[in-house]
Amino acid sequence: DAGVIQSPRHEVTEMGQEVTLRCKPISGHDYLFWYRQTMMRGLELLIYFNNNVPIDDSGMPEDRFSAKMPNASFSTLKIQPSEPRDSAVYFCASSFVDGRPSSGNTIYFGEGSWLTVV
Amino acid sequence: AQSVTQLGSHVSVSEGALVLLRCNYSSSVPPYLFWYVQYPNQGLQLLLKYTTGATLVKGINGFEAEFKKSETSFHLTKPSAHMSDAAEYFCAVRKDSSYKLIFGSGTRLLVRP
Repeated sequence: DAGVIQSPRHEVTEMGQEVTLRCKPISGHDYLFWYRQTMMRGLELLIYFNNNVPIDDSGMPEDRFSAKMPNASFSTLKIQPSEPRDSAVYFCASSFVDGRPSSGNTIYFGEGSWLTVV
Repeated sequence: AQSVTQLGSHVSVSEGALVLLRCNYSSSVPPYLFWYVQYPNQGLQLLLKYTTGATLVKGINGFEAEFKKSETSFHLTKPSAHMSDAAEYFCAVRKDSSYKLIFGSGTRLLVRP
């Protein structure tokens, strides 16, 4: 089975431009997460969805960031307008909750989208 | 609130030596605990996890970790380091009532020839 697929893998954009990051979760997974990784702040959870519904967006830094999940196989994270401080690696991850304590509901990560805003 | 502390942002060992990466958590309820590895320019890969049952957990690549409730620790070990183990390692905790993973700040493992 294919893992979590993210695109683009790398993006360089100018300040003020709109950036859209895309994610295809593992088929059958019902949770989707967006994380951001920076040297200064480490791995931060931005938002997560359950069955395509946003559950917790408390980690979204500001109104310039928005995320959608129109269906079970696709999600986007949009930054508009982008700023240099948004430069980071953005990870999408997904998980399947089967209700068994022993499963731990492992979260599987994509390879990340490396964003540079100049 | 839950948190994860990884002691040592960098750990350097010789090839063949014991690897010990430390992780302590704070949680008011029994947590689910994870170790992930991140190789350069790649995503995070699950090494091992503790959910219930046996407190000594074995993972991939010869790594293992032991959940010690009395010490609120989940240290990662490997008896003999290999050059290919050089990477960044993240400890993470998840509480049963939430499906969010809270990550530690990471420990970069350097393996000397």
